[in-house]
Amino acid sequence: DVKVTQSSRYLVKRTGEKVFLECVQDMDHENMFWYRQDPGLGLRLIYFSYDVKMKEKGDIPEGYSVSREKKERFSLILESASTNQTSMYLCASGLAGAGAGNTIYFGEGSWLTVV
Amino acid sequence: ELKVEQNPLFLSMQEGKNYTIYCNYSTTSDRLYWYRQDPGKSLESLFVLLSNGAVKQEGRLMASLDTKARLSTLHITAAVHDLSATYFCAAEEDNDMRFGAGTRLTVKP
Repeated sequence: DVKVTQSSRYLVKRTGEKVFLECVQDMDHENMFWYRQDPGLGLRLIYFSYDVKMKEKGDIPEGYSVSREKKERFSLILESASTNQTSMYLCASGLAGAGAGNTIYFGEGSWLTVV
Repeated sequence: ELKVEQNPLFLSMQEGKNYTIYCNYSTTSDRLYWYRQDPGKSLESLFVLLSNGAVKQEGRLMASLDTKARLSTLHITAAVHDLSATYFCAAEEDNDMRFGAGTRLTVKP
């Protein structure tokens, strides 16, 4: 079974703190994604990575950065957390390649509250 | 720009009824995915549709793809309570996967 593990299920952070959300996958997938899920807005793509050290901006990259130093690990960083970043964050991974038509696999999600 | 529009956003159904969720997308790759999410849980893959006219069925759910119209549908037949969940469609292009806003389905006895 594919396993995508997010390091923290629930976090509470103060405004201005630096926050790290870690994601690890065990299937040697090339692609990894970070989404944010808010009620009524579905999943919005923050960043994705198609290879080590490679990243592409999604729809809402402002206020976030990412790091992919190893293939299995994709980190989401909030440099200075703000209350409007309170949300659920979902990490996903999948195989690469045009025409692959591969589904992506999600982690359990990280619920972040910024106070 | 890659866009995915899903409707309706909320759907309340009686058990035993049929209904359809619609998903319009703007990609040219014509790769379309359906996911299910239960409350407090992550997303689970339901269907992958890769070509025009593709139809996949699993139990009371059937997904289809019309690439000319850039439209996918998720049809629910004779709904049961266990199908209550949020359903997302997603379209993928060049490794970039974008999701619709989701349809929150509630099936009532």
